[in-house]
Amino acid sequence: EIVLTQSPGTLSLSPGERATLSCRASQSVSSSYLAWYQQKPGQAPRLLIDGESSRATGIPDRFSGSGSGTDFTLTISRLEPEDFAVYYCQQYGSSPLTFGGGTKVEIK
Amino acid sequence: QVQLVQSGAEVKKPGASVKVSCKASGYTFTSYDINWVRQATGQGLEWMGRMNPNSGNTGYAQKFQGRVTMTRNTSINTAYMELSSLRSEDTAVYYCARGSYGQSWYYWGQGTLVTVSS
Repeated sequence: EIVLTQSPGTLSLSPGERATLSCRASQSVSSSYLAWYQQKPGQAPRLLIDGESSRATGIPDRFSGSGSGTDFTLTISRLEPEDFAVYYCQQYGSSPLTFGGGTKVEIK
Repeated sequence: QVQLVQSGAEVKKPGASVKVSCKASGYTFTSYDINWVRQATGQGLEWMGRMNPNSGNTGYAQKFQGRVTMTRNTSINTAYMELSSLRSEDTAVYYCARGSYGQSWYYWGQGTLVTVSS
């Protein structure tokens, strides 16, 4: 099983600041099958970034993904008020599919 | 437009079973796997397994082997997840999501809260 470790657990930032979220895998994620999701309270997760660091349909360009192998990063270039949420990484190239524990981005 | 609509909240007693449905619309139901994920309150996401609606083939996370059954009814474009021998730790929101092997999950159901309590 591929274990995904996200850091930090909580990120306290102000609107307009840059957010950098990390996801580290216990073994290489095949073919960059690594996705990022945003989740707000009471809602289902929303796909932001999928394999090859591509933004999902409708996702603003302030969100970007990078990385390969075992180290991946989600960057939010300038935080908007609606970006304060929990973010999860997921690997979907190897069964069992696994998620990281999440990073909460909160307003400072 | 693609939609996954799940059944309503359930309250079950320990030892009982629960069956959650996920009705798909807006696409060919048999073309994409349906995954099931759960999330306890304040916790992260946990993959339970997936089902191929075309073949009925399933793959379950080891943790749920023997307790979970994923099925489908292609005539009504609906997938089901049944979890048996419920315990309090199974209290969670259960989501279905569309995605075959190598595909991320753009479409999700709205979630179904299952509460296990005596």
